[in-house]
Amino acid sequence: QQQVKQSPQSLIVQKGGISIINCAYENTAFDYFPWYQQFPGKGPALLIAIRPDVSEKKEGRFTISFNKSAKQFSLHIMDSQPGDSATYFCAASTSGTYKYIFGTGTRLKVLA
Amino acid sequence: AAGVIQSPRHLIKEKRETATLKCYPIPRHDTVYWYQQGPGQDPQFLISFYEKMQSDKGSIPDRFSAQQFSDYHSELNMSSLELGDSALYFCASTILRDTDTQYFGPGTRLTVL
Repeated sequence: QQQVKQSPQSLIVQKGGISIINCAYENTAFDYFPWYQQFPGKGPALLIAIRPDVSEKKEGRFTISFNKSAKQFSLHIMDSQPGDSATYFCAASTSGTYKYIFGTGTRLKVLA
Repeated sequence: AAGVIQSPRHLIKEKRETATLKCYPIPRHDTVYWYQQGPGQDPQFLISFYEKMQSDKGSIPDRFSAQQFSDYHSELNMSSLELGDSALYFCASTILRDTDTQYFGPGTRLTVL
């Protein structure tokens, strides 16, 4: 059973467009929600992360929106660029355990 | 800035052989995590160590074992390898009391023939 559900599985966006990836979770004990970017054959790299006490966090072109009551969070990539083409994973963890539970990943392709 | 180092980067083994993967965390990081990522899959947590003690255990087969040494590097030992063990194995590290952010290494690609 996937504890963190991620959608869509794949996404194609035009250069300059907005990429939106969604995640949903069930375990209300989760209190840390990072997003990772992964290029083929490389390790995941942290993009941005959020905690439940904040509804939105922005870093450059990347924004996380968090809806605690709906148990959902999403990543928005503004002004998407071909270099953003990668697989994006959301994750969740709980203080005290700290292991990450990853979503199933979204393969993003940004067309030039 | 120093990153997580994993060795080897690529490893090819035959079925039923053993393999040892090594992870060197970022300096001063006290916690190490191991993840397994199959082709097209999300990373799955295997095991973690904090201050050289096992802190959490996930879906790690009994054929696998791991430990963290006094210099905080960690090794994942895999025995009786099966075809299904072919995957990318990532190590991540953090300073547990300071942050929830895990920093991932480049991974070891294990191929079992």
